[in-house]
Amino acid sequence: KAGVTQTPRYLIKTRGQQVTLSCSPISGHRSVSWYQQTPGQGLQFLFEYFSETQRNKGNFPGRFSGRQFSNSRSEMNVSTLELGDSALYLCASSQETDTQYFGPGTRLTVL
Amino acid sequence: GNSVTQMEGPVTLSEEAFLTINCTYTATGYPSLFWYVQYPGEGLQLLLKATKADDKGSNKGFEATYRKETTSFHLEKGSVQVSDSAVYFCALPYQAGTALIFGKGTTLSVSS
Repeated sequence: KAGVTQTPRYLIKTRGQQVTLSCSPISGHRSVSWYQQTPGQGLQFLFEYFSETQRNKGNFPGRFSGRQFSNSRSEMNVSTLELGDSALYLCASSQETDTQYFGPGTRLTVL
Repeated sequence: GNSVTQMEGPVTLSEEAFLTINCTYTATGYPSLFWYVQYPGEGLQLLLKATKADDKGSNKGFEATYRKETTSFHLEKGSVQVSDSAVYFCALPYQAGTALIFGKGTTLSVSS
């Protein structure tokens, strides 16, 4: 099976812009979660989707949003980018069990 | 909510040394517990997991035992190799669902 794929792998944006990141889960996986990884804060949970519904949400401002499509692919959007949004954004997928499988991440740099 | 506290590094060891990375948690009930590893330049990989109390997860010579009495899930390896150099994360479920909360990560460097 193909693993979790994320596009794009690298992005450079400027403050105030918005960005959309995409995640394709492992075939058959219906749950997709997003995480932000930074050197200072480590790995922080953003949100989780299951069957197109947001199941859990972490403690991030409303500028961070996401959605899941009927084919389980997911996107996350960050509006009005700030310098502090520079990070590695990781997507993970899972089946009904609780083992998550991670993609390679999207490296976002905000200038 | 659930939380996890992980020993912070960096940890520097010589090849064949014994490794312990401490992890303690606070949770409602008895959730599954995980160790993930991130090798340099790579994504996060599941290293091992335990789904109930007293379970021992193991993989690649690493072991961790789910201890409900001490709410701990310490990672151990009897003889580390240079190839074990990576960042190790302890994790447990955020709430209901499969999303996880992670410890801060422990960087392990093994020299020959």
